[in-house]
Amino acid sequence: EVKLTQSGAEVKKPGESLKIACEGSGYSFSNYYISWVRQMPGKGLEWMGRIDPTDSEVSYSPTFQGHVTISVDKSISTAFLQWSSLTASDTAMYYCARDLGLYSEHDHWGQGTLVSVSS
Amino acid sequence: DIVMTQSPDSLAVSLGERATINCKSSQSLLHTSNNKNYLAWYQQRPGQPPKLLIHWASTRESGVPDRFSGSGSGTDFTLTISSLQAEDVAVYFCQHYYTTPRTFGQGTKVEIK
Repeated sequence: EVKLTQSGAEVKKPGESLKIACEGSGYSFSNYYISWVRQMPGKGLEWMGRIDPTDSEVSYSPTFQGHVTISVDKSISTAFLQWSSLTASDTAMYYCARDLGLYSEHDHWGQGTLVSVSS
Repeated sequence: DIVMTQSPDSLAVSLGERATINCKSSQSLLHTSNNKNYLAWYQQRPGQPPKLLIHWASTRESGVPDRFSGSGSGTDFTLTISSLQAEDVAVYFCQHYYTTPRTFGQGTKVEIK
């Protein structure tokens, strides 16, 4: 069974750093891209970017370029999303999703990681 | 960036009745090399992650009930629920994957009348 398991909810203060994880199982991790999607409270879905686990090449949405870093460790079948300095506007649910190809739909999703940033 | 616009923002339909959601893209999603429309539909039930329903604009994902259907080409697309069931209460999103950044529609909330 294909599964994407995300790390648990986080409560942080503004200015703190954070790295959340997404572990893939039940499939060949390196053969599929991983995308990250943000959902702010009560809002829609925003595609943040995606990574190719084979060579760690990343494509970012211009909206998120420079604000987050997407990385991967294929030895542990895990993709990461990180911030160096959080702000209150980063409060959201973050989902990872598997992509079948360079230009394809998200066929499996993680359960989501809730990030709350408040002083 | 390609802008995806859904209509309506919400709709209330009686059980067993048809629900229709529209999605319009700011540029064509039809790739002439393979004659495919790079458009997907997702369902997000309350408190759940999104779930893929349809890709290539009209190909239903395995396990998705056949009351869900997708149609359209180019810039205009439709998701139809032929006979609304209680478990279909959710927000539905379209998304293009024609290029990056991929963008989603703003979502359509479907409720029971």
